[in-house]
Amino acid sequence: DARVTQTPRHKVTEMGQEVTMRCQPILGHNTVFWYRQTMMQGLELLAYFRNRAPLDDSGMPKDRFSAEMPDATLATLKIQPSEPRDSAVYFCASGLVPNQETQYFGPGTRLLVL
Amino acid sequence: EDQVTQSPEALRLQEGESSSLNCSYTVSGLRGLFWYRQDPGKGPEFLFTLYSAGEEKEKERLKATLTKKESFLHITAPKPEDSATYLCAVQARRGETSGSRLTFGEGTQLTVNP
Repeated sequence: DARVTQTPRHKVTEMGQEVTMRCQPILGHNTVFWYRQTMMQGLELLAYFRNRAPLDDSGMPKDRFSAEMPDATLATLKIQPSEPRDSAVYFCASGLVPNQETQYFGPGTRLLVL
Repeated sequence: EDQVTQSPEALRLQEGESSSLNCSYTVSGLRGLFWYRQDPGKGPEFLFTLYSAGEEKEKERLKATLTKKESFLHITAPKPEDSATYLCAVQARRGETSGSRLTFGEGTQLTVNP
């Protein structure tokens, strides 16, 4: 049963600390997405990659957020320095383009910045 | 700018009481409309993709339909296990750099009481 995995599932940190979230996309998928979900904003796209190249990161605060794909099996999202307003659930999703456009989501990382 | 509006925000049904959820959208050229189900503490789970007006798809007690301006998710004789938040998202026909992005609605929180 192929799934997107994310680590850690929960993270509590103090303001100013660096946070790194990791995602393993479904094997063979060539597109990876990072979303943030809050009660106020719903699901927002932060960035996405195709074949490991960043295609769109317009939804991401550039001064503190960065996203990378060191290899085809790992995507990372970093926040440095973290702020309380970054508290949210961060989801990774993967898909296979152009064969299908469906995005399959991971379980999310629940982040709380104190 | 793509927009998705879901209604109602919340819906309470008795077991067996059929109803419909609405997703209104504005997009410059629809590539696909997606329905997801999200349970508390989990990532969105893919349900359906609809590509053109008049298309319908079914899965167990759920049926999704699509017109040029909106989509409906019909729930027939719901059971308590159908309780979840249902999310609608649209994908627009665009160039390579943003063709895969999804714009999500705020969701409808469905509760089915036994």
